Amino acid sequence: DVQMTQSPYNLAASPGESVSINCKASKSISKYLAWYQQKPGKANKLLIYDGSTLQSGIPSRFSGSGSGTDFTLTIRSLEPEDFGLYYCQQHNEYPYTFGAGTKLELK
Amino acid sequence: EVQLVESGGGLVQPGRSLKLSCLASGFTFSNYGMNWIRQAPGKGLEWVASISSSSSYIYYADTVKGRFTISRDNAKNTLYLQMTSLRSEDTALYYCARKMRAQSGYVMDAWGQGASVTVSS
Repeated sequence: DVQMTQSPYNLAASPGESVSINCKASKSISKYLAWYQQKPGKANKLLIYDGSTLQSGIPSRFSGSGSGTDFTLTIRSLEPEDFGLYYCQQHNEYPYTFGAGTKLELK
Repeated sequence: EVQLVESGGGLVQPGRSLKLSCLASGFTFSNYGMNWIRQAPGKGLEWVASISSSSSYIYYADTVKGRFTISRDNAKNTLYLQMTSLRSEDTALYYCARKMRAQSGYVMDAWGQGASVTVSS
């Protein structure tokens, strides 16, 4: 199975700042990585797939990059609603596997 | 509006069975593959099982293979997860999620709120 390692585990930032979350695959997954946001009381939200394709309805301040084994989710100009948990997921092969998550907290 | 509503969760003893349901609305259910994903308390997401739109293709995580069965009834717009021989490590919030085709494989573009399953004596 492809192991996904996310970093950092916790991240504190202020509204208006830019942040990056990293995800590393245990083997090459080409560009086939997705990012999800999880917030209490809300359905999980797909943000990015195929490494850099923005899901419909997601603000352009979210962007994804990377290929092979190393990927990054960048959020520019943080808004208050962006704080929560973020997960990466490889969709190159079964079993689909997720990273352990990154908690983005308000500084 | 796409809606996925899970039901059937609860407290169950180790070794017993439980069946989860996920009622879909707001889209043509029979056109989409579906997944079950779970999240143990305080832990990350774990993909559990996947089923294609016509039930032709079914996949399971090794952790549940042989114990869980994913199925669907397109006439009822409902996805199921039959769980048998339950273990304490199956305790989790179980989400159903719609599959969306990506350039390779699938991602999950709509999620339910989850059904809580607790396995304990």
